[in-house]
Amino acid sequence: DVKVTQSSRYLVKRTGEKVFLECVQDMDHENMFWYRQDPGLGLRLIYFSYDVKMKEKGDIPEGYSVSREKKERFSLILESASTNQTSMYLCASSSRVDEQFFGPGTRLTVL
Amino acid sequence: GDSVTQMEGPVTLSEEAFLTINCTYTATGYPSLFWYVQYPGEGLQLLLKATKADDKGSNKGFEATYRKETTSFHLEKGSVQVSDSAVYFCALSDPGYGQNFVFGPGTRLSVLP
Repeated sequence: DVKVTQSSRYLVKRTGEKVFLECVQDMDHENMFWYRQDPGLGLRLIYFSYDVKMKEKGDIPEGYSVSREKKERFSLILESASTNQTSMYLCASSSRVDEQFFGPGTRLTVL
Repeated sequence: GDSVTQMEGPVTLSEEAFLTINCTYTATGYPSLFWYVQYPGEGLQLLLKATKADDKGSNKGFEATYRKETTSFHLEKGSVQVSDSAVYFCALSDPGYGQNFVFGPGTRLSVLP
């Protein structure tokens, strides 16, 4: 079974803190994705990566950066967390255009 | 660009009722189509998929048929259970649109005993 794991299920941070969200997949997938999910707004793509050290902006990249130093790991970074970044963050991976496999999500609260 | 439209709900049904959640899409290429389900507090799980016209995806009593002529992929289940209460997302993956997925807004289903 494909496994996509995220470093935390719940996270509470303070405004201005630097936040790292980690995602690891174990199926050697080329593609990895970060989404945020908010009530009434569905899933919105933040960043994605087709390969190691490659990254592409999604629909809402402002305030975020990413890092992919190894194929299995894709990190989302909030350089200076703000309250409007309180959300559910979902990581996914896929092989080419096959289905995406999702992690359990990280619910981030920024106070 | 590519897009997915689905009924937003919420949809409330009694146990054993028939379920239909409509999904239509626009795509520049020839997409694969998916239904994902999200149970409370969890990530999305693939429910079923179809990769070409007239394919029928099925899983756990749910079915959806890829209709190219109507650009639709409606989700159906003959008899819903309380445990089917969740949010359902229709999605597409279009080789002509990069390697991204496009998700619909999600439909919340509540099944009452």
